[in-house]
Amino acid sequence: IAGITQAPTSQILAAGRRMTLRCTQDMRHNAMYWYRQDLGLGLRLIHYSNTAGTTGKGEVPDGYSVSRANTDDFPLTLASAVPSQTSVYFCASSGGGSPSGANVLTFGAGSRLTVL
Amino acid sequence: GQNIDQPTEMTATEGAIVQINCTYQTSGFNGLFWYQQHAGEAPTFLSYNVLDGLEEKGRFSSFLSRSKGYSYLLLKELQMKDSASYLCASMDSNYQLIWGAGTKLIIKP
Repeated sequence: IAGITQAPTSQILAAGRRMTLRCTQDMRHNAMYWYRQDLGLGLRLIHYSNTAGTTGKGEVPDGYSVSRANTDDFPLTLASAVPSQTSVYFCASSGGGSPSGANVLTFGAGSRLTVL
Repeated sequence: GQNIDQPTEMTATEGAIVQINCTYQTSGFNGLFWYQQHAGEAPTFLSYNVLDGLEEKGRFSSFLSRSKGYSYLLLKELQMKDSASYLCASMDSNYQLIWGAGTKLIIKP
């Protein structure tokens, strides 16, 4: 089934631990994104990648890093988790940069992360 | 600055019509998206408007006025399964999305 797979679905971890959220897509989309979603706030972009081998910072990049070694995978790493990183994380992809509908995002099911 | 506003919550009756409004201030505006998000699930694409006017897709329609920085999502013949959050997002000059906090729509029988 075409789409985006995220893992883990949920995780509880202690503050200070390192955590990697995995994201894989099989749609051959060039662009991929990581968002966090918190109650009462809109989706906030953490990092993005317009194509394999390139990444960029979004609105809230501090404390997070990403890599894009190939088209399909876009992992998000929290080097040393803090409680303020408790959130639901969504990975998304899109087919290109044209404004005529090609920027429609396909989202993964989300990863719920709790940092204690 | 860039900003998106939409109501936090709305309630409507099954079978009725509801209009969810969204106002935006976006640099280099490149279009307005609506997504639907059921509780505990991922957002899914509903509509995209870049020109003024109404786009109709079955029971859902979306309207845009660029001069007023205003959009709405119109849902007709409401069904219980339409209970969800509806996210408005504008696209800026860098083709990045600025998201509203979402409108939680509650449908009552």
